[in-house]
Amino acid sequence: DGGITQSPKYLFRKEGQNVTLSCEQNLNHDAMYWYRQDPGQGLRLIYYSQIVNDFQKGDIAEGYSVSREKKESFPLTVTSAQKNPTAFYLCASSPLGVTEAFFGQGTRLTVV
Amino acid sequence: ILNVEQSPQSLHVQEGDSTNFTCSFPSSNFYALHWYRWETAKSPEALFVMTLNGDEKKKGRISATLNTKEGYSYLYIKGSQPEDSATYLCALQGGKLIFGQGTELSVKP
Repeated sequence: DGGITQSPKYLFRKEGQNVTLSCEQNLNHDAMYWYRQDPGQGLRLIYYSQIVNDFQKGDIAEGYSVSREKKESFPLTVTSAQKNPTAFYLCASSPLGVTEAFFGQGTRLTVV
Repeated sequence: ILNVEQSPQSLHVQEGDSTNFTCSFPSSNFYALHWYRWETAKSPEALFVMTLNGDEKKKGRISATLNTKEGYSYLYIKGSQPEDSATYLCALQGGKLIFGQGTELSVKP
């Protein structure tokens, strides 16, 4: 089935460790996005990419890094520099142009 | 940072009530406004994507309007049902896709 897959669904890490969240799509979409959600807040944009080997910072990029080596994949690394990494992370993709975005199931990251 | 504001933050209605939410934005520097429904334990799903001032979309009991000149969009639900309970998100598309904080709707039977 076509769609976006995020893995794992739940992730636990110790403070000070980097952790990479996976996002894969087989929809042939050019654009991909990473969002973070905290309790009581909406989706805040971390990074986005509209083409392979290119990506732009969103509103809260500090402490995160991404890569876009393949069209299908847009992994997000939460580094030790991120002050409050515990959150729910959502990945999305869309074709270029005026069209809806499609979302993965999300990864809930807990840093202890 | 483009500020997309949604109101109210939460809403509790009875089954059969009609309701509406607001999405407001300060800038016209975008080319589309999106509405999504996000049910608990599921992924957000698109309801509408609107591009033109005065654009109006309808899907069953749900409709949306867009006024880019005044900087707002309304989402209407006619005759709310318990299955409409969800968080409704609006987003501005202008290269990147920026979301508001959402309106959480609870419909009691």
